[in-house]
Amino acid sequence: GDSVTQMEGPVTLSEEAFLTINCTYTATGYPSLFWYVQYPGEGLQLLLKATKADDKGSNKGFEATYRKETTSFHLEKGSVQVSDSAVYFCALSDSGNTPLVFGKGTRLSVIA
Amino acid sequence: GAVVSQHPSRVICKSGTSVKIECRSLDFQATTMFWYRQFPKKSLMLMATSNEGSKATYEQGVEKDKFLINHASLTLSTLTVTSAHPEDSSFYICSASGAGEGTDEAFFGQGTRLTVV
Repeated sequence: GDSVTQMEGPVTLSEEAFLTINCTYTATGYPSLFWYVQYPGEGLQLLLKATKADDKGSNKGFEATYRKETTSFHLEKGSVQVSDSAVYFCALSDSGNTPLVFGKGTRLSVIA
Repeated sequence: GAVVSQHPSRVICKSGTSVKIECRSLDFQATTMFWYRQFPKKSLMLMATSNEGSKATYEQGVEKDKFLINHASLTLSTLTVTSAHPEDSSFYICSASGAGEGTDEAFFGQGTRLTVV
């Protein structure tokens, strides 16, 4: 079945550091790819998405590119802030009527 | 984007009692809703998929008689944890799809933290 693998956390960075969270996937078809963010005590919020190869999703300074050749969707941000501290989940979906398949999540802590 | 409201956000109940969690799509019709469970510092585990007007499909290992799911309308799905025990304490999250924009996107509720004492 489909699966998502993302780098283990936790990740601790200083403010303004560069962030990369790796995510790779396996899927039989051509899924859509997502990054969700979960702030402490809250539910999941969609951060960005890409629906086909070479698409780049971006939001709030975060970006990720759908790489079909490497089956990857790595999350990057050039300069993190303390407010970016959260858990980040990579996920894929074949369609809106199938459940998302999540990675295990990566906890990011940004210190001032 | 579309809004999914989940209620309550926190609940504490005694062992042996039942708890109902509601998941509502506020501005779209949700043909499919998913219920997930999240253990501390772990990813989300899909519990079941519910389609409006039909029985939920449960994932392997999830007790359907313990976690009752009802999706009676296109805007409401409920998860009832029956005869709750401390090991049922967890964070439960629903998501809904079927919104007009982006059929591949699911929208999440805020989650419910259940504590069974």
